[in-house]
Amino acid sequence: EDQVTQSPEALRLQEGESSSLNCSYTVSGLRGLFWYRQDPGKGPEFLFTLYSAGEEKEKERLKATLTKKESFLHITAPKPEDSATYLCAVPDSWGKLQFGAGTQVVVTP
Amino acid sequence: DTEVTQTPKHLVMGMTNKKSLKCEQHMGHRAMYWYKQKAKKPPELMFVYSYEKLSINESVPSRFSPECPNSSLLNLHLHALQPEDSALYLCASSQTESSGNTIYFGEGSWLTVV
Repeated sequence: EDQVTQSPEALRLQEGESSSLNCSYTVSGLRGLFWYRQDPGKGPEFLFTLYSAGEEKEKERLKATLTKKESFLHITAPKPEDSATYLCAVPDSWGKLQFGAGTQVVVTP
Repeated sequence: DTEVTQTPKHLVMGMTNKKSLKCEQHMGHRAMYWYKQKAKKPPELMFVYSYEKLSINESVPSRFSPECPNSSLLNLHLHALQPEDSALYLCASSQTESSGNTIYFGEGSWLTVV
């Protein structure tokens, strides 16, 4: 059964304190792994798509990496505006996105 | 800024009302989606339209009725809803329905059923 698991559920960081979020997946034939950022009361904002093991993508303080079983979202020197819920998702064989439960990140000044 | 536009942003409706949520995208995408999201949960797929035809209906109750008038527009007609249908309704689009295409979400419509 296709499954996506994110950890930790919540993460509280001091401004400037780098950390990593994990997304592990079990899906046959990965067709992409997607990272989204979601602010309270708003729709998910697309961050990255990763397609193959070893691939890395960066955007400002965020860097996403992919292995055969998991993906990491590294947040380097976070700022309060990086506070959000980060969702990862993989499409199943029908193209339907399977979401993880998300990691809620709070960055305090 | 998202290129998927949803209206209204907030909607309060009674259980006997009929209302509609609207969605528009101008990215030339040929797949459009409706998702439902409850508090502190990930989005759940409701419907998929591919080339303006209903492709997937995730066993959604008939009180939710989707419509795709053209390749840029997607509506969700609401009738006789229940309080438990209160949620954030998200419209999304992708280039095609094929797995691996990035799905872009709108800001959502907050629905409260009273």
